[in-house]
Amino acid sequence: QKEVEQNSGPLSVPEGAIASLNCTYSDRGSQSFFWYRQYSGKSPELIMFIYSNGDKEDGRFTAQLNKASQYVSLLIRDSQPSDSATYLCAVRRSGGGADGLTFGKGTHLIIQP
Amino acid sequence: EAGVAQSPRYKIIEKRQSVAFWCNPISGHATLYWYQQILGQGPKLLIQFQNNGVVDDSQLPKDRFSAERLKGVDSTLKIQPAKLEDSAVYLCASSSFATTGYTFGSGTRLTVV
Repeated sequence: QKEVEQNSGPLSVPEGAIASLNCTYSDRGSQSFFWYRQYSGKSPELIMFIYSNGDKEDGRFTAQLNKASQYVSLLIRDSQPSDSATYLCAVRRSGGGADGLTFGKGTHLIIQP
Repeated sequence: EAGVAQSPRYKIIEKRQSVAFWCNPISGHATLYWYQQILGQGPKLLIQFQNNGVVDDSQLPKDRFSAERLKGVDSTLKIQPAKLEDSAVYLCASSSFATTGYTFGSGTRLTVV
């Protein structure tokens, strides 16, 4: 059973601080990794994707991947109240043409003003 | 570019009734996905289409769920008969290049009573 694990939270972070969200996955053959943000009552919105070990930065967001440890993280710098949402980690299934994503349950992030 | 369109936005039905959801993907996107998101969980892939062919339906409860994609464009997901545990948001997504992630529609919230 391929799984993606996230701490459900809530994770409370003061405004302006760095929020750190973590995710582990079980399938060593996973090729690509995604972070989605989901506001309450809305559909998931893609924030970042990463394929290679190391860091990938996009504005205030940094995704980190360590395939040896099967670990993905998302850092949000200078956190804003508008960053309060559920963050979903997703892993692209490997093999053949089937490329649907396996999602974790999400981490609920609260940015305190 | 218009996004992924879904209808209806909300549906309430009694158990054992049938229901259908419709999805129109982003123009030119060959791949279409249906996901089920139960409250408090991440989305779960139900079925993936490539043009009008099924690529992956391994997690589709085929005794009650069916889906089709006519002419490789619009898609319909049907549940017959519905159970209480089918209460969820049904999300449609499409992509032209899945390795960079994809965009979800606004979803259909189904309540089975």
